[in-house]
Amino acid sequence: GENVEQHPSTLSVQEGDSAVIKCTYSDSASNYFPWYKQELGKRPQLIIDIRSNVGEKKDQRIAVTLNKTAKHFSLHITETQPEDSAVYFCAAPHYGGSQGNLIFGKGTKLSVKP
Amino acid sequence: DTGVSQNPRHKITKRGQNVTFRCDPISEHNRLYWYRQTLGQGPEFLTYFQNEAQLEKSRLLSDRFSAERPKGSFSTLEIQRTEQGDSAMYLCASSGTGGNSPLHFGNGTRLTVT
Repeated sequence: GENVEQHPSTLSVQEGDSAVIKCTYSDSASNYFPWYKQELGKRPQLIIDIRSNVGEKKDQRIAVTLNKTAKHFSLHITETQPEDSAVYFCAAPHYGGSQGNLIFGKGTKLSVKP
Repeated sequence: DTGVSQNPRHKITKRGQNVTFRCDPISEHNRLYWYRQTLGQGPEFLTYFQNEAQLEKSRLLSDRFSAERPKGSFSTLEIQRTEQGDSAMYLCASSGTGGNSPLHFGNGTRLTVT
């Protein structure tokens, strides 16, 4: 079945710097890769997702890149702000499951210092 | 608020008792998911409904767990004979049937088994 590894587990950056979080997956048939942001005590919220037919997707300060050959995808946040501080989760579909049957990484706690 | 609604927000119960949680998805969404999240981990998939049909169940869903969605709208998750290991945040999510429809999570029900 699918296995999703996420690194680093914690990341601390200065306000204005960039942050990069990386995930690897095991199932070469996976075709959908969402990223969720979860603030303390709140629900996970989708911030960006990418499908396997593209290599990069951007939304303002957030971008996701996908390398299907190496089976890894990354989240890039530029010009970080204190409100970006949260736990970020990557995910990939469970083998043979529906699109919403996701395997999540263990999360990256991002701290943006003002 | 037209998001995913979950009740109760918190539940404290004694070991051995039964508990039931409710989820009201976004009204136009016919796909509904239950996930479980423990501290420091990503959400783990439990089960999936399309309309009233339960189409997928995780091996994590022991025989003490049962989920229903009788009319294809709200769903309930029941845990019988609760154990301390059941303590977690139980998240509900919904999505539409379109291929690009992402998961929208509720705020969850935090279960504490004493």
